[in-house]
Amino acid sequence: EPEVTQTPSHQVTQMGQEVILRCVPISNHLYFYWYRQILGQKVEFLVSFYNNEISEKSEIFDDQFSVERPDGSNFTLKIRSTKLEDSAMYFCASSEAVGSAQPQHFGDGTRLSIL
Amino acid sequence: GENVEQHPSTLSVQEGDSAVIKCTYSDSASNYFPWYKQELGKRPQLIIDIRSNVGEKKDQRIAVTLNKTAKHFSLHITETQPEDSAVYFCAASYYGQNFVFGPGTRLSVLP
Repeated sequence: EPEVTQTPSHQVTQMGQEVILRCVPISNHLYFYWYRQILGQKVEFLVSFYNNEISEKSEIFDDQFSVERPDGSNFTLKIRSTKLEDSAMYFCASSEAVGSAQPQHFGDGTRLSIL
Repeated sequence: GENVEQHPSTLSVQEGDSAVIKCTYSDSASNYFPWYKQELGKRPQLIIDIRSNVGEKKDQRIAVTLNKTAKHFSLHITETQPEDSAVYFCAASYYGQNFVFGPGTRLSVLP
């Protein structure tokens, strides 16, 4: 069964540095998402992406964050000037379509630790 | 915006018993409701979903019911097994767009 893959599995970064989290969505999927999960808390929506542009974003997704689809397979989340409170698990997800309410499939996540 | 509440936050059941987790949502426009199971340190995995044109859906030991009028939906697990132990998240969305998740229920199945 095809899977969403994310790299790295764990990223440790000094506060103030920039990080890029990478995702390879399922190949025939058209919609891509980033979610965040702070340890022990619920999964929170960050941003959705379709047709090479952001379709929706949450209040969490401020100017510190950006997303990009640099080629036909990768989907990245960039976090600039990282803060301690950015430490969390970041999940990428993808879905085949939206109009017919297709399920979202999640990757294994990247654990981001800001020191 | 949408707000999803989930109860209970923790649930312990004896192996073989049933478990029920309930969620309520606030936005009547939401029409897609998935349930995810998350084991410690792992990805959320879809276990069942329901669309608003259906009142109930079943898949082996797992079932979901939806009451659109009351804006709540429930996950039912029968004949629970130790491997059912995990955190379960409900979510609500409009046509599968960005999910709003509930806070999660930690289910422990005691042997």
